Amino acid sequence: NAGVTQTPKFRILKIGQSMTLQCTQDMNHNYMYWYRQDPGMGLKLIYYSVGAGITDKGEVPNGYNVSRSTTEDFPLRLELAAPSQTSVYFCAIKTGPTGELFFGEGSRLTVL
Amino acid sequence: AQSVTQPDIHITVSEGASLELRCNYSYGATPYLFWYVQSPGQGLQLLLKYFSGDTLVQGIKGFEAEFKRSQSSFNLRKPSVHWSDAAEYFCAVAGTASKLTFGTGTRLQVTL
Repeated sequence: NAGVTQTPKFRILKIGQSMTLQCTQDMNHNYMYWYRQDPGMGLKLIYYSVGAGITDKGEVPNGYNVSRSTTEDFPLRLELAAPSQTSVYFCAIKTGPTGELFFGEGSRLTVL
Repeated sequence: AQSVTQPDIHITVSEGASLELRCNYSYGATPYLFWYVQSPGQGLQLLLKYFSGDTLVQGIKGFEAEFKRSQSSFNLRKPSVHWSDAAEYFCAVAGTASKLTFGTGTRLQVTL
């Protein structure tokens, strides 16, 4: 999925550790999003940003933090990882005026 | 708040048979609606979208969807399914700031 790059693709964390999931876009779009996907639950919005310096909570923000210092980057930080944060995380950008999102390939995180 | 319901968790169809995946939404205004497809281990790809105008919208890979306001539905259809269509399908509605609310998904299995 050229245009939205997520790293790492896979990561195993121990309970209590911290880490940052990186999301970078090269399409100069203002709106960026972080979702998590759990089996049978669809995708849930964690945080989103409408431009550099502006972020806001989504449906499931607890245990996460974000920043948006540049248009290109929208990192998601997990503090004190918990097993409940085991999930697949997707970063997305809004690419058109009618709201369609373009997704990265995802980052699979396991917390043990 | 908006919501999306996909009542079918899993559907199995024979290759060459027709397909209809159901989606019901709840949204106060005229909705922007989307269908995404996800192959195993991959990100989400936009199949089609509805935002105004013709209630029958065409998408990629031979899919179409019909918006029915009276039924709050946006069902996805394909006249003849191919084995490569096996994947998970998500319906979504856009809210403020183009935040998408997703359904829980329907997994499509195609038998040969």
